[in-house]
Amino acid sequence: QVQLVQSGAEVKKPGASMKVSCKASGYTFTSYYIHWVRQAPGQGLEWMGIINPSGASTTYAQNFQGRVTMTRDTSTSTVYVELSSLRSEDTAVYYCARGVGATYYFQHWGQGTLVTVSS
Amino acid sequence: DIQMTQSPSTLSASVGDRVTITCRASQIISTWLAWYQQKPGKAPKLLIYKTSTLESGVPSRFSGSGSGTEFTLTISSLQSDDFATYYCQQYYSYSTFGGGTTVEIK
Repeated sequence: QVQLVQSGAEVKKPGASMKVSCKASGYTFTSYYIHWVRQAPGQGLEWMGIINPSGASTTYAQNFQGRVTMTRDTSTSTVYVELSSLRSEDTAVYYCARGVGATYYFQHWGQGTLVTVSS
Repeated sequence: DIQMTQSPSTLSASVGDRVTITCRASQIISTWLAWYQQKPGKAPKLLIYKTSTLESGVPSRFSGSGSGTEFTLTISSLQSDDFATYYCQQYYSYSTFGGGTTVEIK
């Protein structure tokens, strides 16, 4: 069955960078786009961007342009999201999610990774 | 960017009630709309995509309708497992979520 397993919780200082991983299994890794979505405590969902694991092409949401980088490692079927210049407002649960074909709705989700930004 | 507005933000209901949640888009999105259910501490779960197509395994008491800019999610007879937060999502242009509707016990 399709599984997306994310790395564990992190605590970061303001100005630092975070890097969260998402390991995929149960399907052909390069056949489905992976998206990143975050959720601040008690808040709604915010789409961050998408990576095509096949060619590594990416599209980022405007709110994150210049601060976010999504990469993938086909040898381990893992995608990564890196966010730099962290501030307290970046404290959130970060989810990876698998798209359906070329569409941007999400059938499978990782379990989420809490990143806390605090001095 | 396309903005998605959900109403109400909170809804109090009882088991067996018919529940309707509305989602409005700031511009026409055709039928490129999905609905998710989220329970505390869990990832969202896909319920409906393309406005009205039920995801496999989702109970038939859930239904979706609409087009253009106005959409609804209906739960025909609320069950105890349905108390959760619901989000709409447009995927006409990238992706934007609504602010969420929490369905709580009356």
